[in-house]
Amino acid sequence: GAGVSQTPSNKVTEKGKYVELRCDPISGHTALYWYRQSLGQGPEFLIYFQGTGAADDSGLPNDRFFAVRPEGSVSTLKIQRTERGDSAVYLCASSFLDRATTGELFFGEGSRLTVL
Amino acid sequence: GQSLEQPSEVTAVEGAIVQINCTYQTSGFYGLSWYQQHDGGAPTFLSYNALDGLEETGRFSSFLSRSDSYGYLLLQELQMKDSASYFCGRNRCDDKIIFGKGTRLHILP
Repeated sequence: GAGVSQTPSNKVTEKGKYVELRCDPISGHTALYWYRQSLGQGPEFLIYFQGTGAADDSGLPNDRFFAVRPEGSVSTLKIQRTERGDSAVYLCASSFLDRATTGELFFGEGSRLTVL
Repeated sequence: GQSLEQPSEVTAVEGAIVQINCTYQTSGFYGLSWYQQHDGGAPTFLSYNALDGLEETGRFSSFLSRSDSYGYLLLQELQMKDSASYFCGRNRCDDKIIFGKGTRLHILP
């Protein structure tokens, strides 16, 4: 597709379960970001990839959260032992290398995670 | 917490002009970006300022004053479809982009 694709669009899970959220960025975009957005709040930075490596993971809330991007394209956000407080929309965004001069991120529609 | 401040809500009348302000922390600052998000939708890019001054894109303009750590988004000829949340984002020189909590714009007919 032409845009950033995120799957699943909705995920309902039980407390304590493991969850994987997938992001397929726009082809050719080297930078990939994960954000978390709660209702009525702005996107909260989680982690940023440049190519295959995590350039900045300072936003990950704790060690239950982990993200990978093994081939520099698709990324997976992994959440272990989910808690009710993890319920949110998880947004993925990608951009060209020169995002610093354009400032533009292209966001996916998000994965809505509900932890019961 | 966020390092940007913007009003939580703004109300304006259809056809009018509205300004949404944003102040930010200067640490690592590179530029200020603006995004629009309709309920249930993805944030979409509106504008970006790396230098002081006004950037105009159709009905939307964005302004930056680095000396005042301040910027704003100006929306002209408001339409009902402009009802949405607007986020300012601080683009840092380490490539991290941090967003404010957003301003919900209500437009009255």
